[in-house]
Amino acid sequence: QITLKESGPTLVRPTQTLTLTCTFSGFSLSTRGMGVGWIRQPPRKALESLAVIYWNGERHYNPALNNRLTLTKDASFNEVVLTLADVDLVDSATYYCAHVISTSTRGGWFASWGQGDLLTVSS
Amino acid sequence: EIVMTQSPATLSVSPGERATLSCRASQNIGSDLAWFQQKPGQAPRLLIYGASTRATGFPARFSGSGSGTDFTLSVSSLQSEDVAVYYCQQYSDWPYSFGQGTKLAIK
Repeated sequence: QITLKESGPTLVRPTQTLTLTCTFSGFSLSTRGMGVGWIRQPPRKALESLAVIYWNGERHYNPALNNRLTLTKDASFNEVVLTLADVDLVDSATYYCAHVISTSTRGGWFASWGQGDLLTVSS
Repeated sequence: EIVMTQSPATLSVSPGERATLSCRASQNIGSDLAWFQQKPGQAPRLLIYGASTRATGFPARFSGSGSGTDFTLSVSSLQSEDVAVYYCQQYSDWPYSFGQGTKLAIK
């Protein structure tokens, strides 16, 4: 059984750096084709892909976030950490991490999701 | 970025009737399309991947079709538990992009 869980703050001040941790089980980030992605959803709005990291270390970041994102992985502890620098009010959202399965060189689908972490950015 | 456009925004269907949801990509994505079901207060759940492969746990009344730029999600006989927002998402090119969602309701 694959599980993922996000952990992080519920409130962050503008200009601070947000750090979110995804702890997962049931798969290994060392296995070919596996990845972990981050997606966010502002209240009552659609989903937005933020970043993804694959088994081979390949990382992708959404350019709309203007180079504010960083992904790191600790495969031995089954954790992936997302940092978002210089947060703003518009970064308030529920942040999800997800297990990514890729069978090609193009991309992969978000196969299983965590329950989400609701973040508020406010002064 | 590939733009995903879903229609309609809201769809009301009588119980037992067929629901058809549409998704269009701004460029050719082959079959690199997923559908997700999101119920209120819950995380999205993978429903379809590869445009037509049903994920584990979903009944056969859900089906996906299409390739290239035009895709369809069909629910053959709507049940009350199918009320949710449905999102399509392409994974052909980064950033993987989602549509705005279709809210499926019972008439």
